[in-house]
Amino acid sequence: EVLLVESGGGLIQPGGSLRLSCAASGLTVSSNYMAWVRQAPGKGLQWVSLISAGGTSYYADSVKGRFTVSRNSSKNTLHLQMNSLRAEDTAVYYCARRRAGLPFESWGQGTPVTVSS
Amino acid sequence: DIVLTQSPDSLAVSLGERATINCKSSQSVLYSSNNKNYLAWYQQRPGQPPTLLISSASTRESGVPDRFSGSGSGTDFTLTISSLQAEDVAVYYCHQYYSTSQYTFGQGTRLEIK
Repeated sequence: EVLLVESGGGLIQPGGSLRLSCAASGLTVSSNYMAWVRQAPGKGLQWVSLISAGGTSYYADSVKGRFTVSRNSSKNTLHLQMNSLRAEDTAVYYCARRRAGLPFESWGQGTPVTVSS
Repeated sequence: DIVLTQSPDSLAVSLGERATINCKSSQSVLYSSNNKNYLAWYQQRPGQPPTLLISSASTRESGVPDRFSGSGSGTDFTLTISSLQAEDVAVYYCHQYYSTSQYTFGQGTRLEIK
């Protein structure tokens, strides 16, 4: 059974940095397409970033240059380094897995991030 | 970016009746090499992460009740719930995974009991 558990969220001031983690079990992070998807309060789903099995990273235009996705193979963990945070980055951040030719099929429970002074 | 527009934004249906949600894509999501539409449907209940219902526009995930069905191709897609149950109250999203560098979701459709 696939289990994804996010952590690292919290309250941070504008301009600050935060690092999210997603611990995976039942799958190998480095062999899958792993993504971050966020949901602002009362809003819809927004894809943020993805790292392919081959290690190529992709980002939504709204976070490009500020966020960095990475993975730790030895700990089977996905990370999202978020810098220069803005109020509009406030959201629940979900970790998700997809395989080639399929959509995001496994999701974590999410970790909330609030950017506010 | 591929823009997905869902209609309606909200929907109220009586128990046992049919619910239909539409999703229109700004460009085709039909992958020519395998003739599959890279379009999925998710259900999200309050306080929960999304749950995948349907992939490839019409393939129901394991464990999803058969009252849920998906149809369409190219740019126009539909999610149908044939006989609404109380547990189907949720927000439903369509999602395209055709563009591997810019995934997008529809704005969501809130489904309620009339």
